[in-house]
Amino acid sequence: KQEVTQIPAALSVPEGENLVLNCSFTDSAIYNLQWFRQDPGKGLTSLLLIQSSQREQTSGRLNASLDKSSGRSTLYIAASQPGDSATYLCAVRGNQAGTALIFGKGTTLSVSS
Amino acid sequence: ETGVTQTPRHLVMGMTNKKSLKCEQHLGHNAMYWYKQSAKKPLELMFVYSLEERVENNSVPSRFSPECPNSSHLFLHLHTLQPEDSALYLCASSQDIWAGTSTDTQYFGPGTRLTVL
Repeated sequence: KQEVTQIPAALSVPEGENLVLNCSFTDSAIYNLQWFRQDPGKGLTSLLLIQSSQREQTSGRLNASLDKSSGRSTLYIAASQPGDSATYLCAVRGNQAGTALIFGKGTTLSVSS
Repeated sequence: ETGVTQTPRHLVMGMTNKKSLKCEQHLGHNAMYWYKQSAKKPLELMFVYSLEERVENNSVPSRFSPECPNSSHLFLHLHTLQPEDSALYLCASSQDIWAGTSTDTQYFGPGTRLTVL
């Protein structure tokens, strides 16, 4: 059974710092991996999606990497801003049609000005 | 309204009450989902509907009863809930359910914060 773990559970940094959020998964037979952002009182917003054949994806100040063989992904946030404060969720999808997204518990990020 | 909307945003109910959560998507999608997000657990998929047919039920207790009258609306009917059912219930939609060969994107609503007393 696929399990997704995110470390750390919470992170506080001053504005301007570069930071890395970690995601690990137990079954490397994945189709893709997604990073989501969840703001308090709001739903999830997809940030980046990496196919299993890809190594990384970039969007603005965000860069997500994937090492499928070791079951790891990282989300790198450059020059963090207070507006980046949110919970970041990692989710993987298995190879079989119809399989659900399996989520981690998330990392809650707080960026202080 | 755009995207995925959910009502109510907050709900407090007793264990003997009956209530319903509503989700509406304005994206023309064919698939809709209910998720449960508890404080100490990862987001869990509860139900999946495709073209108004339930295609997945992840061992959810019968006190949760979904209904999908059309591809734009999804309900979650609640009755005789337990305090451990208190959670954030999220609705999502996607163009189609994932068929194993394409990339889907799920769009989430803001959720209903449910408290069972």
